[in-house]
Amino acid sequence: GDQVEQSPSALSLHEGTDSALRCNFTTTMRSVQWFRQNSRGSLISLFYLASGTKENGRLKSAFDSKERRYSTLHIRDAQLEDSGTYFCAAASSSFSKLVFGQGTSLSVVP
Amino acid sequence: NAGVIQTPRHKVTGKGQEATLWCEPISGHSAVFWYRQTIVQGLEFLTYFRNQAPIDDSGMPKERFSAQMPNQSHSTLKIQSTQPQDSAVYLCASSLGDSQNTLYFGAGTRLSVL
Repeated sequence: GDQVEQSPSALSLHEGTDSALRCNFTTTMRSVQWFRQNSRGSLISLFYLASGTKENGRLKSAFDSKERRYSTLHIRDAQLEDSGTYFCAAASSSFSKLVFGQGTSLSVVP
Repeated sequence: NAGVIQTPRHKVTGKGQEATLWCEPISGHSAVFWYRQTIVQGLEFLTYFRNQAPIDDSGMPKERFSAQMPNQSHSTLKIQSTQPQDSAVYLCASSLGDSQNTLYFGAGTRLSVL
């Protein structure tokens, strides 16, 4: 079946630094969605993309519009409150299920 | 907008008992998804309804698990004869059901089977 490979599995950042998370797809995907799961377990939607890039504050996400085989999430000027587990999930067609990656556990330290 | 509501938040059952989990989607959303999350397996898709009709149940264990959506305001996931390996956080999500399909998740039900 469709697979979503997320990297890195864990990441530690100092406050104020930048980094990027990546998801690779084993097949062409139609859309991707990024989530952050907080310490209470709630999954919060960050971005939905069917193509191109979207930006919200210090977060920016991109979806490879050409081959549709990967997506990235950039974190700029990391803050302590950015800590959590980040998941990407992708769908192979408009009305199909989302397949999740294994997540990136992000820890932002002073 | 209260978001997706899942009840109960925690459920403890004994091995062999039945567990029913409830989900109320966001008002106006026509698609409801069920996922299960464990440390080992991560987030696994279980099943999905659109306009109350089952669309894809490819992730549902064939025995003991069933899901219904009797009306547009709630869905249930029932597990019969629960086993310790069913212990997980069960997450419900809803979406508008259009081509954009952005999912909004509930807080989950943590099921513990002793």
